Amino acid sequence: AQSVTQPDIHITVSEGASLELRCNYSYGATPYLFWYVQSPGQGLQLLLKYFSGDTLVQGIKGFEAEFKRSQSSFNLRKPSVHWSDAAEYFCAVDRSNDYKLSFGAGTTVTVRA
Amino acid sequence: GAVVSQHPSWVICKSGTSVKIECRSLDFQATTMFWYRQFPKQSLMLMATSNEGSKATYEQGVEKDKFLINHASLTLSTLTVTSAHPEDSSFYICSASLEGNEQFFGPGTRLTVL
Repeated sequence: AQSVTQPDIHITVSEGASLELRCNYSYGATPYLFWYVQSPGQGLQLLLKYFSGDTLVQGIKGFEAEFKRSQSSFNLRKPSVHWSDAAEYFCAVDRSNDYKLSFGAGTTVTVRA
Repeated sequence: GAVVSQHPSWVICKSGTSVKIECRSLDFQATTMFWYRQFPKQSLMLMATSNEGSKATYEQGVEKDKFLINHASLTLSTLTVTSAHPEDSSFYICSASLEGNEQFFGPGTRLTVL
């Protein structure tokens, strides 16, 4: 079945440490890829997206993601997390380039002091 | 810019009643709006896509007579949960896009059906 997988349900990281969130997809062609962040009481905010071109994508808030076709992955990274990065992170795929998104189950990030 | 609001932010209703949720794009005209449902600790599931002035397109397994969607203007879409039951309790999220650009998400509406 076609799907978006985020293997890590919950990650705890120390403030200032690096963060990597994994995302894998299982679609035949390369879809459009997105990372969103959801904070309590707020709507999902787009961190970054990949359509084509350079496989290393820079986003907002110091996040970046790398598309690896051979691994069908689009992992999100941040070199040094801040306490405000504690949130739920969702990887999403537009598999048909029709703007309909399929989301992964999400990864909850907790930041400890 | 690109703000999407939802009203109400939460609602509690009795089983059998209908509930309407509004989704508004505040500072842009949205040609397409999407409705999602999110269960606790789970992903967002696309329910339907609506374009202004036309019937909504529902995803497989979503009952169109249960979840009525109206996209009457370029800034407003409504989702009505008809004859709500406890299993309809969920977090409903809308998003709006302009001519295929990225989707901008509302803050969500928590529905609890008693």
